[in-house]
Amino acid sequence: DAGITQSPRHKVTETGTPVTLRCHQTENHRYMYWYRQDPGHGLRLIHYSYGVKDTDKGEVSDGYSVSRSKTEDFLLTLESATSSQTSVYFCAISDRDERYEQYFGPGTRLTVT
Amino acid sequence: LAKTTQPISMDSYEGQEVNITCSHNNIATNDYITWYQQFPSQGPRFIIQGYKTKVTNEVASLFIPADRKSSTLSLPRVSLSDTAVYYCLVGFHSGNTPLVFGKGTRLSVIA
Repeated sequence: DAGITQSPRHKVTETGTPVTLRCHQTENHRYMYWYRQDPGHGLRLIHYSYGVKDTDKGEVSDGYSVSRSKTEDFLLTLESATSSQTSVYFCAISDRDERYEQYFGPGTRLTVT
Repeated sequence: LAKTTQPISMDSYEGQEVNITCSHNNIATNDYITWYQQFPSQGPRFIIQGYKTKVTNEVASLFIPADRKSSTLSLPRVSLSDTAVYYCLVGFHSGNTPLVFGKGTRLSVIA
């Protein structure tokens, strides 16, 4: 399995508090992604990165920001958590352009009360 | 990005072959077709990818007709452990053009 870890794996927080989720990879892959998964919606892309300091928005980016200061780490921040951001968050990575295959992390279950 | 349509759910008995079809009428010339599998409480896992005709690996086969407007994922002799959600994705073969996951097909394998 690809070396991807996510931390924390579970978190409960209160509405209005900032939250940062971390994705760490040991594969030196160029591309990293953050998804959220909710019942009835499947996987939805939040933000992605195509290199250090290079990021772009996905389809559900409102209320989220990301940072990538080094290849191995991709941080997802909820500026002010809301109950609608209760979800399971997955990080994914991919490498060479010629084979589009993503490897997913174990996920972080976030509950906003 | 090409929009995909696949059945919401399917049921199958153990030992049967399962075929899941995905429609992607507006597929572009450069687009590849990729399938992922997701077990409960886990992240999705890449299964297979193809551009045209047939691709086979140790997990599944992927059939793509000449017009490429649909594709069929074939799982031979399924077992209970194949119970999962299967996603069909269509997109350009480049890492900085992220693919979009739909809702997938929930396959339930029954003993």
